[in-house]
Amino acid sequence: DAGVIQSPRHEVTEMGQEVTLRCKPISGHNSLFWYRQTMMRGLELLIYFNNNVPIDDSGMPEDRFSAKMPNASFSTLKIQPSEPRDSAVYFCASSYRSYSGNTIYFGEGSWLTVV
Amino acid sequence: QQQVKQSPQSLIVQKGGISIINCAYENTAFDYFPWYQQFPGKGPALLIAIRPDVSEKKEGRFTISFNKSAKQFSLHIMDSQPGDSATYFCAATEETSGSRLTFGEGTQLTVNP
Repeated sequence: DAGVIQSPRHEVTEMGQEVTLRCKPISGHNSLFWYRQTMMRGLELLIYFNNNVPIDDSGMPEDRFSAKMPNASFSTLKIQPSEPRDSAVYFCASSYRSYSGNTIYFGEGSWLTVV
Repeated sequence: QQQVKQSPQSLIVQKGGISIINCAYENTAFDYFPWYQQFPGKGPALLIAIRPDVSEKKEGRFTISFNKSAKQFSLHIMDSQPGDSATYFCAATEETSGSRLTFGEGTQLTVNP
């Protein structure tokens, strides 16, 4: 049973370049989340989708960030243009609501360094 | 209203000791309280969770204690082992928001051999 799959695992890019992070959620899950983790700010929810529809994007830092979910098995998080302060680990996560609780499954993260 | 406050920020425990991490919340609508464990280089993974209809839940060496009136819950790790060294996050959510979790700030636990 494959978990949440993220790519790339590591990315080093120059300031001003476009960065695209990709995510394949667990099959059958209907909610997808993008989180950012830094030492300073901890785990921050950037955006989440329910049934491929963006529900809450209030955590997206600014217009340089955008996320899409064209279908139930794929999502992207794009940063354009990237800045050094965007350096962080970006996690994608998915879940399926059930009466036993809302377990969220995280991917292993995309480690982004903007120089 | 949506915050979850977690303490301590870091914790060092000797092997065999008890690790205790505390969380407090404000939103009385929260009805599901999971704990996530994160090892270096990995994503957080669900460790144990509780609903407010019980005051305690135990799974192996891990126990959640829940105090609804105080709006607090805590994670106890009994007989702590070096392999438990990780970052632990408490979280909370309410069913009406779907699976949107509010995370605490995290506690970095180190268990010395």
